Amino acid sequence: GESVGLHLPTLSVQEGDNSIINCAYSNSASDYFIWYKQESGKGPQFIIDIRSNMDKRQGQRVTVLLNKTVKHLSLQIAATQPGDSAVYFCAEIYDTGFQKLVFGTGTRLLVSP
Amino acid sequence: EPEVTQTPSHQVTQMGQEVILRCVPISNHLYFYWYRQILGQKVEFLVSFYNNEISEKSEIFDDQFSVERPDGSNFTLKIRSTKLEDSAMYFCASSRTGVDTEAFFGQGTRLTVV
Repeated sequence: GESVGLHLPTLSVQEGDNSIINCAYSNSASDYFIWYKQESGKGPQFIIDIRSNMDKRQGQRVTVLLNKTVKHLSLQIAATQPGDSAVYFCAEIYDTGFQKLVFGTGTRLLVSP
Repeated sequence: EPEVTQTPSHQVTQMGQEVILRCVPISNHLYFYWYRQILGQKVEFLVSFYNNEISEKSEIFDDQFSVERPDGSNFTLKIRSTKLEDSAMYFCASSRTGVDTEAFFGQGTRLTVV
């Protein structure tokens, strides 16, 4: 597969700023999307999800926006904290009848105190 | 909070050897998955498993790979003859239903083939 290890997009923000992480997904038939957070040496951790019949969903300090027209997903983190530093992946699910997550390439978020 | 657990956390093996990676999914979950992540790359789907059989697998999941649920709690991934390129983090995940619900991931097993 495509190697993105040394070229992972990085977003650097100051503590307290709002962060916006973007993702382009590939399949217009995908009907469910999830944002995962992955800290160094750990497995992906669920943050928030959204179904294709919605364009916005809010959680605690996080908001996901879905634009199906341009196949774009974004994750907004309010009042970013140093503990938010991680790699963030969007994942899409095709309706294959069984959940098969297709992960995007990821964005590294660095939060400075 | 229930979690998916994986053992070992790190496995070093010689090329050509067989390895078994173990996972204990969340107890009331019915769907199980293996994913892998080569260092610095994105997480890739390997296989999904439901009702004691493979429901879907990727092109990565060739004849060298197999999965098993030997008892009511464990879910294993076996690589019969490891290659250098099998070196990666392997993540087990489970979900309560097959679609439209979050999958919970384990902490991963780092496999190093030398």
